[in-house]
Amino acid sequence: DTGVSQDPRHKITKRGQNVTFRCDPISEHNRLYWYRQTLGQGPEFLTYFQNEAQLEKSRLLSDRFSAERPKGSFSTLEIQRTEQGDSAMYLCASSFGLARGTDTQYFGPGTRLTVL
Amino acid sequence: AQTVTQSQPEMSVQEAETVTLSCTYDTSESDYYLFWYKQPPSRQMILVIRQEAYKQQNATENRFSVNFQKAAKSFSLKISDSQLGDAAMYFCACNNNDMRFGAGTRLTVKP
Repeated sequence: DTGVSQDPRHKITKRGQNVTFRCDPISEHNRLYWYRQTLGQGPEFLTYFQNEAQLEKSRLLSDRFSAERPKGSFSTLEIQRTEQGDSAMYLCASSFGLARGTDTQYFGPGTRLTVL
Repeated sequence: AQTVTQSQPEMSVQEAETVTLSCTYDTSESDYYLFWYKQPPSRQMILVIRQEAYKQQNATENRFSVNFQKAAKSFSLKISDSQLGDAAMYFCACNNNDMRFGAGTRLTVKP
């Protein structure tokens, strides 16, 4: 198992452009999480999937953000009309478990987004 | 929702010495999990150690151990025989249907 992977690792875009990130979880992990991490802070929860169902979204996830996990495997996070405040590290984590809160999450390397 | 506080933004330790990183949390739940994650510079977050709140025995993983005080809602990480490779940001996290992280402690290891 190669662990959680994310692509791209770095993305530089101009304000107003759309960007899409991909996360491939550890195989057989039924849960997938997206977090945002800004410099000097811990990760902040954005959204989470159990299999293909998106079960929870944070207030941080504005209408410009959308996430999918179409077949319960990989996931994509899209940000439309990017703003400079979207600049951050976007982390993906996956886990296996029956009940949320009892799982151990394993993180990918992250995608660092810079909005100019 | 729970909150997690790491009161030490930076810590320093001499190689081969022992260092303790502090973490307090606040949750209204009785069943939850606590974690310490390590994030080296420009590298991904790695799980260091996990503690289930219902277990009284403190978790240990080789040179890493925790001091879990449930009544005080305290969860400190002790690193023994510190190595240069231990230098990183360390994040404490509390998970009960909602994973919350502290702001992190930057650990420097001096040779």
